Amino acid sequence: AQTVTQSQPEMSVQEAETVTLSCTYDTSESDYYLFWYKQPPSRQMILVIRQEAYKQQNATENRFSVNFQKAAKSFSLKISDSQLGDAAMYFCAYRSAIGTASKLTFGTGTRLQVTL
Amino acid sequence: GAGVSQSPSNKVTEKGKDVELRCDPISGHTALYWYRQSLGQGLEFLIYFQGNSAPDKSGLPSDRFSAERTGGSVSTLTIQRTQQEDSAVYLCASSLQTAYNEQFFGPGTRLTVL
Repeated sequence: AQTVTQSQPEMSVQEAETVTLSCTYDTSESDYYLFWYKQPPSRQMILVIRQEAYKQQNATENRFSVNFQKAAKSFSLKISDSQLGDAAMYFCAYRSAIGTASKLTFGTGTRLQVTL
Repeated sequence: GAGVSQSPSNKVTEKGKDVELRCDPISGHTALYWYRQSLGQGLEFLIYFQGNSAPDKSGLPSDRFSAERTGGSVSTLTIQRTQQEDSAVYLCASSLQTAYNEQFFGPGTRLTVL
């Protein structure tokens, strides 16, 4: 079974600064997808960024980028130029690429605070 | 509708009662998922539907939990004889068929069992 670990229950960053959220995972599969989801107080889960394991290039989406280290099974999220609206819970998630649409396995989340 | 909808938004029930939670996925999405989020925890997978069939029910915590999906669209999660430990936010998500595709989440139902 796959597991996802987020070792930082809470993080804080000043507005306009950069913060990195950590995620490690364990799997015996070679092909999979990794995701970062954001959950604001509204409870709505929002996809932030997605990485295909077969791609060596790190995914980027505007101010959000990842550092994907497949051998180390590490998948960190970097948020640049942090904004007040970035404050939320962030979840790292794993999804197998085997077969058709499979479930997401989530970490326990990191609560990000953004201060002025 | 434009997104995944869930009803009710909040549900308070007494221990021992049965509850039904509804999920209306995005039109055309063949895959539908239920997850549970307990206070301060990550999301825990419950069940996955592909069309009307459920190829993965491995996350259902006990036989008090069941789910069905009809017409390849709306899904209902039923919890019988609710217990206090069932209190959580129940989230539904839908996606297109392949594993690459994003899962779109609904706003969830907060269940409180007194």
